[in-house]
Amino acid sequence: DVKVTQSSRYLVKRTGEKVFLECVQDMDHENMFWYRQDPGLGLRLIYFSYDVKMKEKGDIPEGYSVSREKKERFSLILESASTNQTSMYLCASRTGGHGDEQYFGPGTRLTVT
Amino acid sequence: GEDVEQSLFLSVREGDSSVINCTYTDSSSTYLYWYKQEPGAGLQLLTYIFSNMDMKQDQRLTVLLNKKDKHLSLRIADTQTGDSAIYFCAETRAGSYQLTFGKGTKLSVIP
Repeated sequence: DVKVTQSSRYLVKRTGEKVFLECVQDMDHENMFWYRQDPGLGLRLIYFSYDVKMKEKGDIPEGYSVSREKKERFSLILESASTNQTSMYLCASRTGGHGDEQYFGPGTRLTVT
Repeated sequence: GEDVEQSLFLSVREGDSSVINCTYTDSSSTYLYWYKQEPGAGLQLLTYIFSNMDMKQDQRLTVLLNKKDKHLSLRIADTQTGDSAIYFCAETRAGSYQLTFGKGTKLSVIP
C-alpha cells in the first residue's frame, strides 16, 4: 500500500514562529511537491523537488523554503509564520513518468494565531 | 499562462448522473486527470485520460475529452451519497513534472 505521510494533521503556531512540516513517501518517487489549499482558490503549488537536494519554486514560494536531504523526505519550512499562512498544506509525490499518479498525503491543517 | 477552470458547486439527487465539467487553456496538455477529495482527506486519483483519446470508461465513471474545445468532463452514473466530495481536474504537459489543478467542484448528493 503506497503511502505519503505528513507529520501532523493539525498544528497551531504563533505569529513569528519557525514551522516545519514534514512529508515522507515510501514509493521511491523522484518528485515531491508541497501545495496549499484554500477555499475558492484550489491547490496552489509552493515548491517542488525532482531529486535529492534539488528544489524549484512553484507559484507561491514567498514566505516558504524547503529541504530535501533524502529522497523519501521533503520538508516545508515557514521561516516566520504569519496569519496569512493559515491553510491546509498538502504534500504529494510521483515518479518521473508522465501519466503516473501523483499521490497525496492526508494534509496538515495549520493555524497561525 | 496555463489555466484550468471548473464550476465550484454541483448538486444532484441520489441515483441521478452527475456531470462535472472542466476547461483548460494549454493546447500542449498531454494527460488530464480527475482527482477526488473527501472531507478531511488528501486527494485521490480517480482516473486520467491521455490527450489522444476521446473517451475513457471505468465502471460508473466516464471521462470525455474534446481536445478541439479543450473541454474535459467527468460523468458519474448512479450517483451515491458516498460520491459527495470535491472533484479536481488537472493537466500536465510533456516535459513537465507539475500538474496544474482547477479550483475544484464540490459535489453534493441529496438523498
